[in-house]
Amino acid sequence: QVQLVESGGGVVQPGRSLRLSCAASGFTFSNYGMHWVRQAPGKGLEWVALISYAGSNKYYADSVKGRFTISRDNSKNTLYLQMNSLRAEDTAVYYCAKGGSSWELPNYDYWGQGTLVTVSS
Amino acid sequence: QTVVTQEPSFSVSPGGTVTLTCGLSSGSVSTDYYPTWYQQTPGQPPRTVIYNTNTRSSGVPDRFSGSILGNKAALTITGARADDESDYYCVLYMGSYISVFGGGTKLTVL
Repeated sequence: QVQLVESGGGVVQPGRSLRLSCAASGFTFSNYGMHWVRQAPGKGLEWVALISYAGSNKYYADSVKGRFTISRDNSKNTLYLQMNSLRAEDTAVYYCAKGGSSWELPNYDYWGQGTLVTVSS
Repeated sequence: QTVVTQEPSFSVSPGGTVTLTCGLSSGSVSTDYYPTWYQQTPGQPPRTVIYNTNTRSSGVPDRFSGSILGNKAALTITGARADDESDYYCVLYMGSYISVFGGGTKLTVL
């Protein structure tokens, strides 16, 4: 069965960096676009970033553009999110989500359980 | 910047019908936005209910339906049950590989 397992969250000071990982299994990872979606505590969902199946195309929400980098290693079935210059407003649960047959559309058929990132001094 | 709008909260009686909507701060929602609806309960990741405007996700009962009503996307739940009580989020594809979520609707069944 499809599994997405995020890791790498934790407490980090403002201005510092953190890298999240999402280990995928149960499907052919290299055939699907992947997304990161976040949710601040008690708040709604926010789309963060998208990467194409081969990793050659990457897109970001304005709120993270220039600070976050999405990447993937298809040989390891793993998705990453490098987060730099972190701010308090980046505090959230970060979910990785599997794209569907149209990789760019926000139709995510599987989600991970999420990893919490807390940005605080 | 375009904002995706949803009712902050809604209440429905058990067995009743409720329609949640998803609009734009400027303009009309159409099928070109590929509206998708997610259901989320506390502490859990979201679960797809409806995608591409009106396609039910696998395992979702036919009590749930999606449509375009006027200038908004809509999620209709008929025969509401206690376990439908959740947060519901719509998301729209804005083009250029960008998607935007609405603020969510907290649905209460009582």
